[in-house]
Amino acid sequence: DAGVTQSPTHLIKTRGQQVTLRCSPKSGHDTVSWYQQALGQGPQFIFQYYEEEERQRGNFPDRFSGHQFPNYSSELNVNALLLGDSALYLCASTLNLADFYGYTFGSGTRLTVV
Amino acid sequence: GENVEQHPSTLSVQEGDSAVIKCTYSDSASNYFPWYKQELGKRPQLIIDIRSNVGEKKDQRIAVTLNKTAKHFSLHITETQPEDSAVYFCAASPSSGNTPLVFGKGTRLSVIA
Repeated sequence: DAGVTQSPTHLIKTRGQQVTLRCSPKSGHDTVSWYQQALGQGPQFIFQYYEEEERQRGNFPDRFSGHQFPNYSSELNVNALLLGDSALYLCASTLNLADFYGYTFGSGTRLTVV
Repeated sequence: GENVEQHPSTLSVQEGDSAVIKCTYSDSASNYFPWYKQELGKRPQLIIDIRSNVGEKKDQRIAVTLNKTAKHFSLHITETQPEDSAVYFCAASPSSGNTPLVFGKGTRLSVIA
């Protein structure tokens, strides 16, 4: 068990709709990062949350937004869905102030936009 | 920003042979280099990592080498087994927990029995 849980596992949405993906970090971790993995590609960094604030952001439009809650869990929201948003969305957690042992990834949410 | 190139994109080897995957990076500030294995439909899993103060690290059949001058690092798998078949990703990052990893595009390794 990875310790990072994501929901839902699969999701089908229509173009123009909005979607919310959820992530609970590994116990003891306080930092959550979101990645988008298109088919056949490596994961691409979307943004990172720590202390309920977005700390860093990758090259993604404002349609992608997020939130972190006091219990360190996080949500990724995508508005006005495009076909190109179809991908595996991965959540990864770390302990911000500790030595960096590498992310712990969740199993991901497979989003299909039709 | 950091850019990571990974080669080859696909690799087929006979069971028992060795496999080598190579990555180059652009940002000289990067000093942490993990490798992830991703099986079909599953999450990426860290298999080995190396920091810039080390030139080589080994864990059983898996080893990673790092050349900071040339800005490249490689994954070596010896005595390959069918269960090594997966997609392997290299990544680079300055070594801190709040810095995002930049991934390569992946190498699909097939081990033929």
